[in-house]
Amino acid sequence: ETGVTQTPRHLVMGMTNKKSLKCEQHLGHNAMYWYKQSAKKPLELMFVYSLEERVENNSVPSRFSPECPNSSHLFLHLHTLQPEDSALYLCASSQEHGASYEQYFGPGTRLTVT
Amino acid sequence: GQNIDQPTEMTATEGAIVQINCTYQTSGFNGLFWYQQHAGEAPTFLSYNVLDGLEEKGRFSSFLSRSKGYSYLLLKELQMKDSASYLCAVTDSNYQLIWGAGTKLIIKP
Repeated sequence: ETGVTQTPRHLVMGMTNKKSLKCEQHLGHNAMYWYKQSAKKPLELMFVYSLEERVENNSVPSRFSPECPNSSHLFLHLHTLQPEDSALYLCASSQEHGASYEQYFGPGTRLTVT
Repeated sequence: GQNIDQPTEMTATEGAIVQINCTYQTSGFNGLFWYQQHAGEAPTFLSYNVLDGLEEKGRFSSFLSRSKGYSYLLLKELQMKDSASYLCAVTDSNYQLIWGAGTKLIIKP
Protein backbone atom coordinates (compact mmCIF):
# COMPACT_ATOMS: atom_id res chain seq x y z
CA GLU A 1 0.00 0.00 0.00
CA THR A 2 1.66 3.20 -1.16
CA GLY A 3 -0.74 5.64 0.47
CA VAL A 4 -1.96 6.95 -2.87
CA THR A 5 -5.23 5.58 -4.22
CA GLN A 6 -6.83 6.06 -7.61
CA THR A 7 -10.31 5.34 -8.91
CA PRO A 8 -11.44 3.87 -11.15
CA ARG A 9 -8.71 1.34 -11.93
CA HIS A 10 -10.08 0.74 -15.41
CA LEU A 11 -12.20 3.00 -17.61
CA VAL A 12 -13.58 2.57 -21.10
CA MET A 13 -15.19 5.64 -22.62
CA GLY A 14 -16.39 6.85 -25.95
CA MET A 15 -15.07 9.98 -27.59
CA THR A 16 -18.16 11.97 -26.68
CA ASN A 17 -18.27 10.97 -23.00
CA LYS A 18 -17.29 12.99 -19.98
CA LYS A 19 -15.61 11.21 -17.08
CA SER A 20 -13.37 12.02 -14.14
CA LEU A 21 -10.40 10.28 -12.58
CA LYS A 22 -9.89 10.61 -8.85
CA CYS A 23 -6.71 10.48 -6.78
CA GLU A 24 -6.37 10.64 -3.02
CA GLN A 25 -3.19 10.66 -0.96
CA HIS A 26 -3.07 9.75 2.71
CA LEU A 27 0.54 10.81 3.29
CA GLY A 28 0.15 14.45 4.28
CA HIS A 29 2.02 15.59 1.19
CA ASN A 30 1.81 19.08 -0.29
CA ALA A 31 2.45 18.31 -3.97
CA MET A 32 0.45 16.15 -6.38
CA TYR A 33 1.00 15.16 -9.99
CA TRP A 34 -0.78 13.66 -12.99
CA TYR A 35 1.24 11.56 -15.44
CA LYS A 36 0.40 9.75 -18.68
CA GLN A 37 2.20 6.46 -19.31
CA SER A 38 2.04 4.92 -22.79
CA ALA A 39 3.72 1.66 -23.75
CA LYS A 40 7.47 1.94 -24.34
CA LYS A 41 7.40 5.73 -23.83
CA PRO A 42 8.70 7.87 -20.97
CA LEU A 43 6.31 9.05 -18.34
CA GLU A 44 4.75 12.33 -19.48
CA LEU A 45 4.14 14.89 -16.76
CA MET A 46 0.75 16.51 -17.32
CA PHE A 47 0.03 18.66 -14.28
CA VAL A 48 1.68 19.63 -11.01
CA TYR A 49 -0.05 21.09 -7.97
CA SER A 50 1.74 22.46 -4.94
CA LEU A 51 -0.36 23.51 -1.96
CA GLU A 52 -3.43 23.32 -4.20
CA GLU A 53 -2.00 25.79 -6.72
CA ARG A 54 -1.21 24.61 -10.23
CA VAL A 55 2.54 24.91 -10.77
CA GLU A 56 3.01 23.54 -14.26
CA ASN A 57 0.89 22.72 -17.27
CA ASN A 58 3.02 20.99 -19.86
CA SER A 59 1.09 21.90 -23.00
CA VAL A 60 -1.67 19.42 -22.28
CA PRO A 61 -4.75 19.54 -24.57
CA SER A 62 -7.73 21.31 -23.06
CA ARG A 63 -9.77 18.09 -23.18
CA PHE A 64 -7.89 17.26 -19.96
CA SER A 65 -8.86 19.48 -17.04
CA PRO A 66 -7.35 19.08 -13.57
CA GLU A 67 -8.87 20.05 -10.27
CA CYS A 68 -7.26 20.12 -6.83
CA PRO A 69 -9.86 20.98 -4.18
CA ASN A 70 -7.45 20.34 -1.28
CA SER A 71 -3.98 18.95 -0.73
CA SER A 72 -5.25 15.37 -0.40
CA HIS A 73 -7.40 15.13 -3.52
CA LEU A 74 -6.73 15.52 -7.21
CA PHE A 75 -9.09 15.03 -10.13
CA LEU A 76 -8.60 14.78 -13.85
CA HIS A 77 -11.73 15.64 -15.82
CA LEU A 78 -11.92 14.14 -19.29
CA HIS A 79 -14.11 15.18 -22.23
CA THR A 80 -14.15 14.54 -25.97
CA LEU A 81 -11.04 12.38 -25.79
CA GLN A 82 -9.27 10.83 -28.77
CA PRO A 83 -8.20 7.18 -29.21
CA GLU A 84 -4.55 8.24 -28.82
CA ASP A 85 -5.39 9.31 -25.26
CA SER A 86 -5.71 5.65 -24.32
CA ALA A 87 -2.98 5.04 -21.73
CA LEU A 88 -2.27 4.46 -18.06
CA TYR A 89 -2.86 7.62 -16.04
CA LEU A 90 -0.79 7.78 -12.88
CA CYS A 91 -1.22 10.08 -9.93
CA ALA A 92 1.69 10.79 -7.60
CA SER A 93 2.41 12.89 -4.54
CA SER A 94 5.53 14.17 -2.80
CA GLN A 95 6.19 15.95 0.45
CA GLU A 96 6.99 19.16 -1.41
CA HIS A 97 7.53 20.08 -5.06
CA GLY A 98 11.28 20.23 -5.45
CA ALA A 99 14.44 18.51 -6.54
CA SER A 100 15.06 15.87 -3.93
CA TYR A 101 11.56 14.78 -2.99
CA GLU A 102 10.70 11.26 -4.05
CA GLN A 103 7.28 10.74 -5.54
CA TYR A 104 4.80 8.15 -4.37
CA PHE A 105 2.61 6.76 -7.11
CA GLY A 106 -0.90 5.40 -7.14
CA PRO A 107 -1.75 2.19 -9.03
CA GLY A 108 -3.06 4.12 -12.03
CA THR A 109 -6.21 4.19 -14.13
CA ARG A 110 -6.07 2.19 -17.36
CA LEU A 111 -8.05 4.33 -19.83
CA THR A 112 -9.34 3.06 -23.15
CA VAL A 113 -10.99 5.51 -25.54
CA THR A 114 -13.17 3.89 -28.17
CA GLY B 1 16.02 19.20 -26.15
CA GLN B 2 16.05 17.14 -22.99
CA ASN B 3 16.83 13.46 -23.28
CA ILE B 4 17.26 10.43 -21.06
CA ASP B 5 18.67 7.26 -22.64
CA GLN B 6 18.56 3.78 -21.16
CA PRO B 7 18.53 0.33 -22.78
CA THR B 8 15.09 -0.96 -23.71
CA GLU B 9 15.56 -4.46 -22.36
CA MET B 10 18.16 -6.54 -20.53
CA THR B 11 18.31 -10.19 -19.51
CA ALA B 12 20.23 -11.62 -16.55
CA THR B 13 20.46 -14.83 -14.56
CA GLU B 14 19.18 -15.39 -11.05
CA GLY B 15 21.98 -14.87 -8.54
CA ALA B 16 24.08 -12.78 -10.91
CA ILE B 17 24.84 -9.04 -11.05
CA VAL B 18 23.42 -6.60 -13.61
CA GLN B 19 24.18 -2.95 -14.35
CA ILE B 20 21.55 -0.73 -15.96
CA ASN B 21 22.98 2.43 -17.51
CA CYS B 22 21.35 5.81 -17.92
CA THR B 23 22.74 8.81 -19.79
CA TYR B 24 21.08 12.21 -19.73
CA GLN B 25 21.14 15.59 -21.43
CA THR B 26 19.00 18.09 -19.59
CA SER B 27 18.76 21.82 -19.04
CA GLY B 28 20.35 21.88 -15.64
CA PHE B 29 20.62 19.10 -13.09
CA ASN B 30 19.14 18.86 -9.63
CA GLY B 31 19.34 15.15 -8.96
CA LEU B 32 18.71 11.74 -10.49
CA PHE B 33 16.18 9.13 -9.41
CA TRP B 34 15.79 5.42 -10.05
CA TYR B 35 12.36 3.82 -9.77
CA GLN B 36 11.24 0.21 -10.09
CA GLN B 37 7.96 -0.66 -11.81
CA HIS B 38 6.56 -4.19 -11.86
CA ALA B 39 4.18 -4.95 -14.71
CA GLY B 40 0.74 -3.54 -14.00
CA GLU B 41 1.88 -1.75 -10.84
CA ALA B 42 2.92 1.74 -9.78
CA PRO B 43 6.55 2.89 -9.91
CA THR B 44 8.29 2.74 -6.54
CA PHE B 45 11.31 4.77 -5.43
CA LEU B 46 14.70 3.05 -5.33
CA SER B 47 17.36 5.74 -5.06
CA TYR B 48 18.30 9.40 -5.40
CA ASN B 49 21.74 10.75 -6.33
CA VAL B 50 22.71 14.41 -6.45
CA LEU B 51 26.46 14.18 -5.77
CA ASP B 52 29.00 12.14 -7.71
CA GLY B 53 29.73 8.69 -6.42
CA LEU B 54 28.13 5.45 -5.36
CA GLU B 55 25.14 5.11 -3.04
CA GLU B 56 24.58 1.61 -1.68
CA LYS B 57 21.30 0.33 -0.34
CA GLY B 58 21.26 -3.39 0.31
CA ARG B 59 21.43 -5.35 -2.95
CA PHE B 60 20.94 -2.17 -4.98
CA SER B 61 23.52 0.54 -5.64
CA SER B 62 23.32 3.68 -7.76
CA PHE B 63 26.22 5.63 -9.23
CA LEU B 64 26.35 9.15 -10.60
CA SER B 65 28.88 11.11 -12.68
CA ARG B 66 27.58 14.61 -13.31
CA SER B 67 30.48 15.55 -15.59
CA LYS B 68 29.66 12.62 -17.87
CA GLY B 69 25.88 12.90 -17.61
CA TYR B 70 25.81 9.26 -16.58
CA SER B 71 24.33 7.02 -13.94
CA TYR B 72 23.96 3.32 -13.40
CA LEU B 73 21.88 1.09 -11.18
CA LEU B 74 23.65 -2.04 -9.98
CA LEU B 75 21.60 -5.00 -8.81
CA LYS B 76 23.42 -7.81 -6.99
CA GLU B 77 22.33 -11.36 -6.10
CA LEU B 78 19.46 -11.12 -8.55
CA GLN B 79 16.16 -12.67 -7.56
CA MET B 80 13.20 -13.55 -9.75
CA LYS B 81 11.19 -10.78 -8.09
CA ASP B 82 13.66 -8.24 -9.54
CA SER B 83 12.06 -8.79 -12.95
CA ALA B 84 10.59 -5.33 -13.59
CA SER B 85 11.14 -2.11 -15.49
CA TYR B 86 13.69 0.31 -14.07
CA LEU B 87 13.07 3.99 -14.72
CA CYS B 88 15.73 6.69 -14.66
CA ALA B 89 14.57 10.29 -14.10
CA VAL B 90 16.44 13.60 -13.81
CA THR B 91 15.29 16.80 -12.11
CA ASP B 92 16.12 19.74 -14.37
CA SER B 93 16.78 23.38 -13.52
CA ASN B 94 13.01 24.04 -13.28
CA TYR B 95 12.62 21.16 -10.80
CA GLN B 96 10.72 19.20 -13.43
CA LEU B 97 11.32 15.44 -13.56
CA ILE B 98 12.43 14.22 -17.00
CA TRP B 99 11.89 10.48 -17.39
CA GLY B 100 13.57 7.80 -19.45
CA ALA B 101 11.45 5.18 -21.20
CA GLY B 102 12.61 2.51 -18.76
CA THR B 103 14.67 -0.67 -18.99
CA LYS B 104 12.76 -3.96 -18.84
CA LEU B 105 14.86 -6.43 -16.87
CA ILE B 106 14.15 -10.12 -17.40
CA ILE B 107 15.59 -12.56 -14.86
CA LYS B 108 16.05 -16.17 -15.94
CA PRO B 109 16.50 -19.12 -13.56
